[in-house]
Amino acid sequence: DAGVTQSPTHLIKTRGQQVTLRCSPKSGHDTVSWYQQALGQGPQFIFQYYEEEERQRGNFPDRFSGHQFPNYSSELNVNALLLGDSALYLCASSPGEPNTGELFFGEGSRLTVL
Amino acid sequence: GQNIDQPTEMTATEGAIVQINCTYQTSGFNGLFWYQQHAGEAPTFLSYNVLDGLEEKGRFSSFLSRSKGYSYLLLKELQMKDSASYLCAVRDWNGNAGNMLTFGGGTRLMVKP
Repeated sequence: DAGVTQSPTHLIKTRGQQVTLRCSPKSGHDTVSWYQQALGQGPQFIFQYYEEEERQRGNFPDRFSGHQFPNYSSELNVNALLLGDSALYLCASSPGEPNTGELFFGEGSRLTVL
Repeated sequence: GQNIDQPTEMTATEGAIVQINCTYQTSGFNGLFWYQQHAGEAPTFLSYNVLDGLEEKGRFSSFLSRSKGYSYLLLKELQMKDSASYLCAVRDWNGNAGNMLTFGGGTRLMVKP
C-alpha cells in the first residue's frame, strides 16, 4: 500500500519564478492538506482540499493556490516566489470519513529560492 | 486562533524516561496529536488524545488535560533512534469537518549514550 507520495523531492528556483508541487494521497484517502515547514519550525497549514474544492485555508497569501483532481491527487502552486518561501512543503492525506484526524504525511518537497 | 508552546530542545540518556510538555490555547479544541519527525523525513503519527487521561502505546504514552490546556508525551526506555523532533499539534473544529492541525514549533530531543 503506497503511502503519500510527493514530487519533486528537491528543487531550486529564483525569486519571481513560479513552482508547482504534486501529491498523491494514501490509497483510500480523499482529503489532502498542504503544510509549509521552515527549517527548525513546526509545519504551518496552507490549505486543505476535499471533493476538488478548497475547504479550509491558513494564513497564506493568494500567491499560494492549489487544485485537487478527480483521482484525489493535488497540486500546490506558488507564484512570484520570494526568498522566504524556501521551506519543506509537506502534503498530508486523511480519509474524509471517519474523521479520526490522523494525517499521513509525504516525505515533502524541499524548495530553495535563490 | 491558537497558540501552542513546547520546549525547543531536550537532552536525555539512553534507557531513561523523558517527558515532553505541550501547552495550548484554542477556541475550538477537537483533539491533540503528537508526531515524531526525524531530520529530513516526514512527520509520523505517534498518538491522539481527545478525552482527558493517559493513552499508552508501547514505550510511548500521551496525556491530556483539556481544562488546563496541557498535554505531555512520555517516552520510556529511551533508545538512540528516539533522537528526533517531537511535534505537538491541536485540531481546531470550525464546523467544516476539516482536519486542520496547528503545530507547535517542535521539541528536538537528543538521546545520549
